[in-house]
Amino acid sequence: AQTVTQSQPEMSVQEAETVTLSCTYDTSENNYYLFWYKQPPSRQMILVIRQEAYKQQNATENRFSVNFQKAAKSFSLKISDSQLGDTAMYFCAFMIPGGYQKVTFGTGTKLQVIP
Amino acid sequence: DVKVTQSSRYLVKRTGEKVFLECVQDMDHENMFWYRQDPGLGLRLIYFSYDVKMKEKGDIPEGYSVSREKKERFSLILESASTNQTSMYLCASSFRDSQYFGPGTRLTVL
Repeated sequence: AQTVTQSQPEMSVQEAETVTLSCTYDTSENNYYLFWYKQPPSRQMILVIRQEAYKQQNATENRFSVNFQKAAKSFSLKISDSQLGDTAMYFCAFMIPGGYQKVTFGTGTKLQVIP
Repeated sequence: DVKVTQSSRYLVKRTGEKVFLECVQDMDHENMFWYRQDPGLGLRLIYFSYDVKMKEKGDIPEGYSVSREKKERFSLILESASTNQTSMYLCASSFRDSQYFGPGTRLTVL
């Protein structure tokens, strides 16, 4: 069974600064996907970024980038130039492709961006 | 854009009541999921469905059942609601390895 661990329940960052959210996972699989999902207060969860394990290059989406360390089973999210709209719960997630597309989620990190 | 809707944003029920939570997606996705979200526990999978009338138990199915009579609709049923089922319930559908979530239903069982 796969597990996803987010060890930072809450974090805060000043507006315009950079923050990194940590995530580790455990699996015996070699091919898998990793995701970061964002859940703003009282709003729907949306996908922020995803990484395919067979790709060595770290995924980037505008101000969001990941540091994927496959050997260490680490998948951190870096948010650059933090904005007030980045205030949200962030969930790290894991999935083995194909099949039923079941996703395993971490416990989440609550990020507060301070003006 | 993919749209996943849930029948209620907030729901208050009494212990022992039968509760139906409905989820509808408009993109013809085959896979649909029900999660519950609790502080400090993240999202936990209750049930999922990979086709009409097909369902599989997730990690915490006890006390719940599901129904999928049409491809676009996936219902979560609490046969006899209990206070420990007070939670946020999230529905999702998936396509090409990405999950699309509904807005959630915050259920309170008194």
